[in-house]
Parts: sequence; C-alpha cells; structure tokens
Amino acid sequence: RKEVEQDPGPFNVPEGATVAFNCTYSNSASQSFFWYRQDCRKEPKLLMSVYSSGNEDGRFTAQLNRASQYISLLIRDSKLSDSATYLCVVSFNTNAGKSTFGDGTTLTVKP
Amino acid sequence: DAGVIQSPRHEVTEMGQEVTLRCKPISGHNSLFWYRQTMMRGLELLIYFNNNVPIDDSGMPEDRFSAKMPNASFSTLKIQPSEPRDSAVYFCASSPTWGAAGANVLTFGAGSRLTVL
Repeated sequence: RKEVEQDPGPFNVPEGATVAFNCTYSNSASQSFFWYRQDCRKEPKLLMSVYSSGNEDGRFTAQLNRASQYISLLIRDSKLSDSATYLCVVSFNTNAGKSTFGDGTTLTVKP
Repeated sequence: DAGVIQSPRHEVTEMGQEVTLRCKPISGHNSLFWYRQTMMRGLELLIYFNNNVPIDDSGMPEDRFSAKMPNASFSTLKIQPSEPRDSAVYFCASSPTWGAAGANVLTFGAGSRLTVL
C-alpha cells in the first residue's frame, strides 16, 4: 500500500461546478498536510496547508480527518484556470525531507 | 526573490554520456531537495541536504547518480553514465531551515527535462 493515495481521476467538470478530492495516508504519526497544484509541464506549487480545524482560501476548502487518516480539498465554483493536477503531500515531522507526495488527481474544467 | 533556479531547462543526450543538472536554492533556505518525476513513478525524492550536508540519499536510484552541495547557494545532480530510463523531469526544491516556521513547505524550481536517447 502506498503511503499517500489519491484518486488519479481524471475529474472532468463544467465551469461553476463543485468538486472534491480525497487523499488517504497510512502513517498515523503524520503531522503536516498540504495540497500542491501542478500545471501541465510546470513545477508543483503550494496551494494551501491543511489544518486540523479545516481552512478556507477563497473558493478552496481543505479539511483533515485524523481519525480516518484522510484529507480533502473542495473547490467551489470551478474556473477553467483550476484545470491542473492536485498533489496531496504528507509530512511526518517538521522536516520537509520526510514529505511524501501522492501521485496527484487531475482536474479538467470545461466551458 | 528569484525563486529556485535550475539549469539546464532541457537536456537531450545520448546514452552513456554524463549529465550535470544545477540548482540555486532560494537565499536563506537551508534545505535543498532533488526530485525526479515520471508518468510511471510520480514524484520521487532522490536526496536532500540540510546546511549543505546530505541527510538522506536513500532515493538515489544507483551509483550512477551523485549529488553535491559545495555551498549554500549551489547544488549539482550528476548522472554518469546516463541511460534512457533516466529520462524524466528533475526538480530541485528548497525550504527554510530545518525546524523553522515553514520548514516543511517546498518551493520548486522549474525543472530540468532530461531525455536520454
């Protein structure tokens, strides 16, 4: 079993739709959680950190469920520009060297 | 801030040749990481440094791969000899000092796309 697992998709949604991605992790000692975004042929970039209490940044909401060991990303009112691959990242301590990336979920938003 | 700078952006070489990839981390970031990304294997951590010292190289595929960080502003990843299966995008990333706020947030360079024929 992979340490971090994501549904690869692809998710194809119309503009304005709400879409949610889940990510599960195997190490219960994991401490830090993130979503990164990667555009085609570009580098991954931090989208948002995920906090235990859940956090929101505009149209994006991230949540953490430690008991079930998963994190989620909700995108409301999807835009064409949201089309990308979303990578779930889990760190086992505060050292980024222990970060593990999921394989990513691909989202395509269509007009 | 110029971000993480990688060179070359693209490299096409023949099997058996030596390849050297270069990275300049963000100034003040004390941790540096080399990743490799392929469709089949996703994003893999090859090696990471803290304060110029290699901390974990368990992800380096084999002895053909080597990495150095002679100072805080420069690192190289070398493949010698290169093979077609080394074809991938190689990313360098940096993060703030180990243990500092934001230490587990990675900033990636634009990547070096390597093709070995």
